[in-house]
Amino acid sequence: DSGVTQTPKHLITATGQRVTLRCSPRSGDLSVYWYQQSLDQGLQFLIQYYNGEERAKGNILERFSAQQFPDLHSELNLSSLELGDSALYFCASSVTGNPGELFFGEGSRLTVL
Amino acid sequence: DAKTTQPPSMDCAEGRAANLPCNHSTISGNEYVYWYRQIHSQGPQYIIHGLKNNETNEMASLIITEDRKSSTLILPHATLRDTAVYYCIVRETNFGNEKLTFGTGTRLTIIP
Repeated sequence: DSGVTQTPKHLITATGQRVTLRCSPRSGDLSVYWYQQSLDQGLQFLIQYYNGEERAKGNILERFSAQQFPDLHSELNLSSLELGDSALYFCASSVTGNPGELFFGEGSRLTVL
Repeated sequence: DAKTTQPPSMDCAEGRAANLPCNHSTISGNEYVYWYRQIHSQGPQYIIHGLKNNETNEMASLIITEDRKSSTLILPHATLRDTAVYYCIVRETNFGNEKLTFGTGTRLTIIP
């Protein structure tokens, strides 16, 4: 158990819909990262938040947005969903300033029909 | 971050040492080498990291060549549970920005 909690574990929805994925980082971790892993691609970095502020942006679509709340949990919002958005979405957290590890959650599997 | 090259797949017999190579010939002096693994669609798991010296923990050993252009992850006594995709990642440590860029990794299969 990494200490990072993601909900929901599985989500099935239709094209054009909007969903929200939630992540609770490990206690004390200020940074939250979101990654997408689809079948034909590896782990793609989407976005990072540090203590409520956006810190780094990767290959995140304009239809996707994220935020980190004062209690440090984070949400990833996916809108106008397309079939190609079907993927595993992972959240990770880290102890900022520590050149060590990212702790990953177990992921949210999104299926768009 | 420097690019890494790993073999796409490897097999290892159960109980033997698994040696996973990684080439990072463009690594710069302040970049660390990290290893993660992903077991069948689970979240990636941190294994070990190092800068210059060899490192060992309860999971594995990391051997970095003197010129730092390549490294080897060693799982000393591989078990079936070690079957996974192993990622070698090179990254600077920037305060507040510890994102990792994953490549395609090595798919390690432990053979009974």
